[in-house]
Amino acid sequence: DTGVSQDPRHKITKRGQNVTFRCDPISEHNRLYWYRQTLGQGPEFLTYFQNEAQLEKSRLLSDRFSAERPKGSFSTLEIQRTEQGDSAMYLCASSRRNSIYNEQFFGPGTRLTVL
Amino acid sequence: SQELEQSPQSLIVQEGKNLTINCTSSKTLYGLYWYKQKYGEGLIFLMMLQKGGEEKSHEKITAKLDEKKQQSSLHITASQPSHAGIYLCGADLLAYSGAGSYQLTFGKGTKLSVIP
Repeated sequence: DTGVSQDPRHKITKRGQNVTFRCDPISEHNRLYWYRQTLGQGPEFLTYFQNEAQLEKSRLLSDRFSAERPKGSFSTLEIQRTEQGDSAMYLCASSRRNSIYNEQFFGPGTRLTVL
Repeated sequence: SQELEQSPQSLIVQEGKNLTINCTSSKTLYGLYWYKQKYGEGLIFLMMLQKGGEEKSHEKITAKLDEKKQQSSLHITASQPSHAGIYLCGADLLAYSGAGSYQLTFGKGTKLSVIP
């Protein structure tokens, strides 16, 4: 039984560099979500995919952020020209197709540190 | 102000004691989800509540939904060190469509410590 996986688990980068994270959802799930969590806070929604279509984006997702899910399977989140304020845990979640409920299963997260 | 308020922010209990964590929404709920998070790790799904008055249990953890108050409580009976962690409630808020939103809105979490 494989859950949601994320890679890398940790990323340290210098300010101004670009970084890319990958998320592999549970195989039968067609919905995929990205969240960001900072210390002492709950996760905040960033964006949502249904299959390959990006259906919703938060105002938190500045122009430096881009997410893709090219074949409706794995997804990537890229941050360009990183800033220290981007330091956070980036969480990916997925949920079942055709479910009227929103039971989301989370991956272990990618912790980003921008120096 | 926060759309989802959790209380208390932190809790320290002696092993074997019971405890309750509360979650209150300022907006109409479509569904309410409870998660547990170990420091630096992802969220583990515990339970989903959708109907008013609904109550679910898993091992020693029970969650209830009070639809009128837009509130949920999570109760742990006879706490154990393995229950320690951060408990997060996530709300699927009612959208204009009459269904849920795609995103979950989370509270800040309740940090639980259990002293052996």
